[in-house]
Amino acid sequence: KAGVTQTPRYLIKTRGQQVTLSCSPISGHRSVSWYQQTPGQGLQFLFEYFSETQRNKGNFPGRFSGRQFSNSRSEMNVSTLELGDSALYLCASSSYWTALNTEAFFGQGTRLTVV
Amino acid sequence: DQQVKQNSPSLSVQEGRISILNCDYTNSMFDYFLWYKKYPAEGPTFLISISSIKDKNEDGRFTVFLNKSAKHLSLHIVPSQPGDSAVYFCAAGATTSYGKLTFGQGTILTVHP
Repeated sequence: KAGVTQTPRYLIKTRGQQVTLSCSPISGHRSVSWYQQTPGQGLQFLFEYFSETQRNKGNFPGRFSGRQFSNSRSEMNVSTLELGDSALYLCASSSYWTALNTEAFFGQGTRLTVV
Repeated sequence: DQQVKQNSPSLSVQEGRISILNCDYTNSMFDYFLWYKKYPAEGPTFLISISSIKDKNEDGRFTVFLNKSAKHLSLHIVPSQPGDSAVYFCAAGATTSYGKLTFGQGTILTVHP
């Protein structure tokens, strides 16, 4: 079955612009989580959506937002881009995120460069 | 506050030998743990996971051990192959923290032919 698909793979934006990234989870998975990876901070949790509801949010400013559609596809949006937003953005797909179901799969990521 | 730590930044192993990667955690709420392999500019590849109700899980060449009292887990790769060379991350999650995985800083594994 198809894996987690993220689009686009690469993106270059200018400071002050906004950007929207897309993630299609594995078929049947209802949970999508988003992460930011930078050399200095490692992998940091942004937020999680399950059945179109945000259930958890990390410590990021309000410029970072997301949503999930009825088909479980998710988008994340970053407004008023800053140079420090340059990172690899990853989404993860899972069924339920519990100790009884411990598998979670990541997409290839979107490399965002802000200039 | 680093709740998940991989204290070895790198590990070098000969092909065919065992690779042991270690991870320590501090948060008692974590009830599942995962190991990922990652190449630069790519997403992490899921390797193996373990629930806190178990102390061992095996999948082919990969075995994960969990010691809850020591808050320690390890990934064993036997036998190691050159294609295993990558960065390995351990991650921990809590059922009550929907979708939030806390990652270690990673260990670079190099397997020499």
